[in-house]
Amino acid sequence: GAVVSQHPSWVICKSGTSVKIECRSLDFQATTMFWYRQFPKQSLMLMATSNEGSKATYEQGVEKDKFLINHASLTLSTLTVTSAHPEDSSFYICSAQTLAGDLKGNIQYFGAGTRLSVL
Amino acid sequence: SQQGEEDPQALSIQEGENATMNCSYKTSINNLQWYRQNSGRGLVHLILIRSNEREKHSGRLRVTLDTSKKSSSLLITASRAADTASYFCATDRTGANNLFFGTGTRLTVIP
Repeated sequence: GAVVSQHPSWVICKSGTSVKIECRSLDFQATTMFWYRQFPKQSLMLMATSNEGSKATYEQGVEKDKFLINHASLTLSTLTVTSAHPEDSSFYICSAQTLAGDLKGNIQYFGAGTRLSVL
Repeated sequence: SQQGEEDPQALSIQEGENATMNCSYKTSINNLQWYRQNSGRGLVHLILIRSNEREKHSGRLRVTLDTSKKSSSLLITASRAADTASYFCATDRTGANNLFFGTGTRLTVIP
C-alpha cells in the first residue's frame, strides 16, 4: 500500500517551454502533498506544500508564478514549471501524506522523481 | 527546509560489516524518521522513532534517539551490496506539517 506515482520520470524540453509533472497517490487519499527539488548529491529542498482544494504554501525563495502547483483532488497534485530555463534543470520529487498522517507520525510516501533537463 | 546534519557524508564498507550513520537536529521533535534513496529515485521510508522512544529495531536496522543530545543513529547490520544508497534522517518538528531532511549519508557497500 501507499504507492505514489510520479510522471514523467524524465523530460527534456527547450528553454521557454512549460513542463507539467504529475504526482498521484494510487491507493490512498492524500490531503497533503509536498514538492521537493534535489541537486546532485544534496539533500531535498522543500519547494511547496500542497493541500487539496486550497492554494499551495511556498517556501521562501520559491517563485509561485514560476512553479505552479495544483492539488485538484485527494489523489493528484501537479507541478508546472513555467517558461523553463536551464537553471531549472534538476530532479523534482513529490511526496504524499495519508489522512492518517497525524496518527502515523507524518510519514511521507515518495514518487520516483522527475529529472528535468532544459536545453 | 534542511534541519539536520548527518555524518559521515559518505561511508564505504565491505559487505557483511555494520554501517552506522548519525544525525543531529536543532529543535523539538515529535518523531524522527529515516529514509533511503537509491540513485536517481525517490525516497523510501525505513523506520520512525517517536520522541519518547530511545531505540527501535526493524530487521537489520537499529535506530537510537537521544533527545537530550538531539541526535539519532541508524545502524545497518550485516550490510549487503544492495544496501548501497543514500540515507536521510528527517524530523517531524512540533507544530510543523512538513518534514525536515538532513544532509544525507551516501553509503557504499563493496561486495
